[in-house]
Amino acid sequence: SQTIHQWPATLVQPVGSPLSLECTVEGTSNPNLYWYRQAAGRGLQLLFYSVGIGQISSEVPQNLSASRPQDRQFILSSKKLLLSDSGFYLCAWSAGLAGVGTQYFGPGTRLLVL
Amino acid sequence: SQQGEEDPQALSIQEGENATMNCSYKTSINNLQWYRQNSGRGLVHLILIRSNEREKHSGRLRVTLDTSKKSSSLLITASRAADTASYFCATDRNNDMRFGAGTRLTVKP
Repeated sequence: SQTIHQWPATLVQPVGSPLSLECTVEGTSNPNLYWYRQAAGRGLQLLFYSVGIGQISSEVPQNLSASRPQDRQFILSSKKLLLSDSGFYLCAWSAGLAGVGTQYFGPGTRLLVL
Repeated sequence: SQQGEEDPQALSIQEGENATMNCSYKTSINNLQWYRQNSGRGLVHLILIRSNEREKHSGRLRVTLDTSKKSSSLLITASRAADTASYFCATDRNNDMRFGAGTRLTVKP
């Protein structure tokens, strides 16, 4: 069966520090991968999605970047964190056409920038 | 916009009662999905309804879709305390899926 992992679960970082969140998927090949951010008590905002290795689409301009160095690995990064980067970051995967059909979510990473 | 908007934002009911949540959207869609999120956790897919379907059931869940009104509803029957969570609708249009802000459901034992 397929599983999706995210780490760390919680992260507290100072303003201006770098960020690297990792997401990996097991049990499937060539998944579509997504990074979302969820502000407290709010819905999900799509940040990036990827349909293949090295293929990244950005949905909103921001202080973050994403990379997909391997088929089942998706990394969210920042060179210098801002206070506004605080939030709950969720990785998800889907099969088939990107953005179509069921997405399966990881447990999330709660990021607090101080 | 394509993004769904849930209504109400928050709902509090007693165990055993039914809970109804609504989702409205503004553009045509291919399908609509409902997800559940326990506090501080990832989302879990509940049900998908295609644009040519009007109603689907899954256990205690019933989802309706009215494409003429661009709205969907999620009904949870005989609610339990364990149903306490946030529920999100997601609209899917041309390879683009968007989530609403969610309804926070509290089921009191």
